Amino acid sequence: DQQVKQNSPSLSVQEGRISILNCDYTNSMFDYFLWYKKYPAEGPTFLISISSIKDKNEDGRFTVFLNKSAKHLSLHIVPSQPGDSAVYFCAASPHSGAGSYQLTFGKGTKLSVIP
Amino acid sequence: ETGVTQSPTHLIKTRGQQVTLRCSSQSGHNTVSWYQQALGQGPQFIFQYYREEENGRGNFPPRFSGLQFPNYSSELNVNALELDDSALYLCASSLPGQGFDTQYFGPGTRLTVL
Repeated sequence: DQQVKQNSPSLSVQEGRISILNCDYTNSMFDYFLWYKKYPAEGPTFLISISSIKDKNEDGRFTVFLNKSAKHLSLHIVPSQPGDSAVYFCAASPHSGAGSYQLTFGKGTKLSVIP
Repeated sequence: ETGVTQSPTHLIKTRGQQVTLRCSSQSGHNTVSWYQQALGQGPQFIFQYYREEENGRGNFPPRFSGLQFPNYSSELNVNALELDDSALYLCASSLPGQGFDTQYFGPGTRLTVL
């Protein structure tokens, strides 16, 4: 039973265009969400996060949108650069209480930015 | 460079054997979590240690156990290895009371069980 779903295993985007990565979740207790980027032979690195009290968080070229009613979030990368080519994981957690010590990850989306 | 190291990088074991994986955290990071990432899957939480005590556990059987030491290093031990234990094992360390955005992952240990 996947509580965090990334339904697109891969995505190809031209350099300079927008990349949109999607994530859906089913657990209503999740109220803190993160995106990680992972290069081969490296561990995941934190990219951006959002709390359920917000619907948007921006950091440079990266913006995360949260739609709580739809239990959906998305990561927008504008403009996309070849160095953004990596696997992107969506992760979620309850902010406090039971289970707040663990992240639940999606399966990841492999982004390829074509020069 | 996250300052979190893991050893060994790769490991091959046979079914039924036992394995110990090691993680060295950044200085001061007394919270460490372990994750298992099977091929084509996202990382799955195994357990977390804080001040050398298990602080929380995911849906993994007792043959997965851990240790945390005062020098910010930790171990993941897996007994009676099964083929499905083949995966990348990641450790992640953080400062106490800090959020996940300050949690740093190591590069992982790739375990193959034959």
